[in-house]
Amino acid sequence: EPEVTQTPSHQVTQMGQEVILRCVPISNHLYFYWYRQILGQKVEFLVSFYNNEISEKSEIFDDQFSVERPDGSNFTLKIRSTKLEDSAMYFCASSEILAASGANVLTFGAGSRLTVL
Amino acid sequence: GENVEQHPSTLSVQEGDSAVIKCTYSDSASNYFPWYKQELGKGPQLIIDIRSNVGEKKDQRIAVTLNKTAKHFSLHITETQPEDSAVYFCAASIRWSTLTFGKGTMLLVSP
Repeated sequence: EPEVTQTPSHQVTQMGQEVILRCVPISNHLYFYWYRQILGQKVEFLVSFYNNEISEKSEIFDDQFSVERPDGSNFTLKIRSTKLEDSAMYFCASSEILAASGANVLTFGAGSRLTVL
Repeated sequence: GENVEQHPSTLSVQEGDSAVIKCTYSDSASNYFPWYKQELGKGPQLIIDIRSNVGEKKDQRIAVTLNKTAKHFSLHITETQPEDSAVYFCAASIRWSTLTFGKGTMLLVSP
């Protein structure tokens, strides 16, 4: 079964450092997403990406965050200067276009745990 | 924006019992309601979904009901098994837009 893969599974970094989280979406999917989950809290939407540009972003996704699809397979989330409150599990997801149904069926990766010290 | 509340936060049942998880949403325009199961060390996996033109949907031991008037939807698992133990998330979205998740329910099924 096709899956979304994420690396690294766990990253520990010092406050103020830059972090790049990587994702390989399912190959025929065209929509890509980043969500995050702070320990004990809700899974929160960060950003969606389609046709090589951001299609939607939340208020969490401020100037320290950026996303990129550097080649035909990878989708990355960069955090420029990490803060303690960025510690969370970051999930990448991808979906097909389901125009007929209007449903947004996401397939999630296993997540990248970011710990900022 | 949309707000999804989910209850209970934890649920312990005996194997063979039924489990019910309930969610409410705030935006009456939401029309797609998926449920995700997350096992330890894995990402959320879609287990069932329902759209606003349907009141109930069933897939083997799993069923979801939707009450649009009350803006709530529920997940029902019958004949629970230890392998059903996981965290379950409900979510809501408006057509093609992003998902808003509930906080999750940790289900523990004891043998």
